[in-house]
Amino acid sequence: GNSVTQMEGPVTLSEEAFLTINCTYTATGYPSLFWYVQYPGEGLQLLLKATKADDKGSNKGFEATYRKETTSFHLEKGSVQVSDSAVYFCALSILQGAQKLVFGQGTRLTINP
Amino acid sequence: GAVVSQHPSWVICKSGTSVKIECRSLDFQATTMFWYRQFPKQSLMLMATSNEGSKATYEQGVEKDKFLINHASLTLSTLTVTSAHPEDSSFYICSVKLGNTIYFGEGSWLTVV
Repeated sequence: GNSVTQMEGPVTLSEEAFLTINCTYTATGYPSLFWYVQYPGEGLQLLLKATKADDKGSNKGFEATYRKETTSFHLEKGSVQVSDSAVYFCALSILQGAQKLVFGQGTRLTINP
Repeated sequence: GAVVSQHPSWVICKSGTSVKIECRSLDFQATTMFWYRQFPKQSLMLMATSNEGSKATYEQGVEKDKFLINHASLTLSTLTVTSAHPEDSSFYICSVKLGNTIYFGEGSWLTVV
């Protein structure tokens, strides 16, 4: 089956710290991989995506590289800000199938000034 | 700009009543929409796939008679929670696929009292 496993939270960092949130997946077929962010009181927003192996998705200083050999899609940011505090979800979709998303459990990130 | 709009954002209803949540695709047609539910501190779980002009496809364990889905047009899907109970209180969110990306609505917070 298809599944996503994320680093357990909550994660608390100081402003300007380096961030890594681990994500690994199991999938049949060739998934696309996504990171979604949910700010307090809001719905999910697409943060970045990668559709094939070795692709790097990037947005707002966040990056994630699709690693087929390690079945991973870790989220990184070199210098976090207080405004990055949110819940981050790793997800995959199998485009050839129902095209629905399978989510990880989410990682709550809190950045302290 | 927004791709998907969901309404209402917040709703409180009495136990035993029904409540309807709308999901609209903006400026494009969506033959398929997805409904997710997120309980506190848990990940999003797919409830059902809404298909325009045909019956929705429900995930295992989701009561189709309780969560009525109607996808009557190419831009609108509705989720009706019938005979709501406090345990139905949750965050409900819809999504649509545009190109190779899945976009989410703002989500609807349902509280059943």
